[in-house]
Amino acid sequence: DVKVTQSSRYLVKRTGEKVFLECVQDMDHENMFWYRQDPGLGLRLIYFSYDVKMKEKGDIPEGYSVSREKKERFSLILESASTNQTSMYLCASGSDSNQPQHFGDGTRLSIL
Amino acid sequence: EDKVVQSPLSLVVHEGDTVTLNCSYEVTNFRSLLWYKQEKKAPTFLFMLTSSGIEKKSGRLSSILDKKELFSILNITATQTGDSAVYLCAAATGANSKLTFGKGITLSVRP
Repeated sequence: DVKVTQSSRYLVKRTGEKVFLECVQDMDHENMFWYRQDPGLGLRLIYFSYDVKMKEKGDIPEGYSVSREKKERFSLILESASTNQTSMYLCASGSDSNQPQHFGDGTRLSIL
Repeated sequence: EDKVVQSPLSLVVHEGDTVTLNCSYEVTNFRSLLWYKQEKKAPTFLFMLTSSGIEKKSGRLSSILDKKELFSILNITATQTGDSAVYLCAAATGANSKLTFGKGITLSVRP
């Protein structure tokens, strides 16, 4: 079974802080993705990575950056957290276009 | 801009009813259409559809894709309270199968 693990289920941070969300997958997948999920807006893609050290912007990259130093780990970074970044963050991984993405349990992030 | 639209946005039914959930898409470089079920935590994968007209089935759930009319449906027969969830539809596009999601359909099944 594919396992995608996000480091925290709940996180509370303050405005202006630098925030790191970590995601690890155990299936040697090339592709990893970060989404945020908001009521009424659904899941929206922030960034994705198709290889180590490679990244591409998704639909809403502003205010975020990512890091992929190892194949199994993909980090989402909020450089200076703001209240409009309060959301549920979901990480996913996938092997190729013929296989579905698998999701982690999500991190509910609150920025105060 | 890639777009996926699901309808209805919410639905309340009684146990034993049959429901049909709709998903239409307008995307470039389409590869596949995926359905996920989301309860409290991670979306869990249900179906991946790449060919038109071929029904995929898993127990009481089934799904089909129409690539000419650009839509898919998810059917659930003999609904149970455990089917209560948000059902997500997503279109996969491009070489990396980037997903564009609809807003989700909230299904509530009453006893």
